[in-house]
Amino acid sequence: NAGVMQNPRHLVRRRGQEARLRCSPMKGHSHVYWYRQLPEEGLKFMVYLQKENIIDESGMPKERFSAEFPKEGPSILRIQQVVRGDSAAYFCASSPYGQTGGNTIYFGEGSWLTVV
Amino acid sequence: DAKTTQPTSMDCAEGRAANLPCNHSTISGNEYVYWYRQIHSQGPQYIIHGLKNNETNEMASLIITEDRKSSTLILPHATLRDTAVYYCIVRVNSGYSTLTFGKGTMLLVSP
Repeated sequence: NAGVMQNPRHLVRRRGQEARLRCSPMKGHSHVYWYRQLPEEGLKFMVYLQKENIIDESGMPKERFSAEFPKEGPSILRIQQVVRGDSAAYFCASSPYGQTGGNTIYFGEGSWLTVV
Repeated sequence: DAKTTQPTSMDCAEGRAANLPCNHSTISGNEYVYWYRQIHSQGPQYIIHGLKNNETNEMASLIITEDRKSSTLILPHATLRDTAVYYCIVRVNSGYSTLTFGKGTMLLVSP
């Protein structure tokens, strides 16, 4: 079974450009999560989505960041007008629909964004 | 999610068992104990989880105390590739819940 697939693995953007990070969940998983890890810091929750629905976006910065998980296709984390402070590793994770004992969250290998 | 407490770092000799402790004294009855690890520059990797019974899989064993206030992750024969940050997380295992990562334990396995 393919795991959580993220692309691109590495992305370089100039300040002011847009960054789009894609995530394809594991087969059969309908829940997607995005986490951010700043250099030398811990993993921070950003947003939790179900198909066509945002469940929890309490960790998303108020401006420039958005996420979607459409009915068809991958989940997208979009960062507009990037700044140097957005340089980080962005991890996507997925889980099946919540059922006791079956709702383990699995992570992808991450997308490393560098803003120059 | 309940808060967990883990030692900042631990050392282990290659081939020996690594026992990583975690305190979760405020855990609720419907919260599971999850363990993940993150090898440098990789994504977090799920290891194991449990509610109240001890659990074992191909990677590790999880021992949960009877009062559920603490647990221990056991890697029976640590290898150099087990060097990573290990995270103990408590989480409701149903519905809409996420993972809250703390600082974890940096396990260094040495030859």
